Amino acid sequence: AQRVTQPEKLLSVFKGAPVELKCNYSYSGSPELFWYVQYSRQRLQLLLRHISRESIKGFTADLNKGETSFHLKKPFAQEEDSAMYYCALTSSGTYKYIFGTGTRLKVLA
Amino acid sequence: DGGITQSPKYLFRKEGQNVTLSCEQNLNHDAMYWYRQDPGQGLRLIYYSQIVNDFQKGDIAEGYSVSREKKESFPLTVTSAQKNPTAFYLCASSAGLLSTGELFFGEGSRLTVL
Repeated sequence: AQRVTQPEKLLSVFKGAPVELKCNYSYSGSPELFWYVQYSRQRLQLLLRHISRESIKGFTADLNKGETSFHLKKPFAQEEDSAMYYCALTSSGTYKYIFGTGTRLKVLA
Repeated sequence: DGGITQSPKYLFRKEGQNVTLSCEQNLNHDAMYWYRQDPGQGLRLIYYSQIVNDFQKGDIAEGYSVSREKKESFPLTVTSAQKNPTAFYLCASSAGLLSTGELFFGEGSRLTVL
């Protein structure tokens, strides 16, 4: 079954500390993985996708097919990173997107 | 201003009543989606549509209905058969299979059943 698992509902870190939001997936085909972010009072928006191999706002994520993971990382957290983060999965040739349950990141001053 | 527009933002309904949530996009996207967002459960797919006059059930379609008569519009009806309709509903769209895969979201509609 297709599934995206985000084990942490809430993650609190201090400003300047490294942050890692975990995402594991279960998919039999060739997945495409995404991270979406929802800041307070803003709509849900794309943060980054694995095929782009980009660094957005200092965040990176590497697709590990062996561990079926797509963890989101940032070396030095900022207060403006506080938001709700969702990991999502789809596959080429399909329109269906599956989301995880989300992790709320709180960056403390 | 391009994007996805959902209305109304807030809606109250009495038990036993059907209610329709509107979703309009001017991005010329082929695919449109409805998700339900509940605390601790993330986004769950209700229905999606790949093209006009076609749509598929998602993971939690029971108690909901949709139509796709126009490319830019994908309304969702929450029927009285939906046992727990109080939730936050998100509409999204994407350009389709040949796109980068990004979903564009509306601001959401919060439905409260009294």
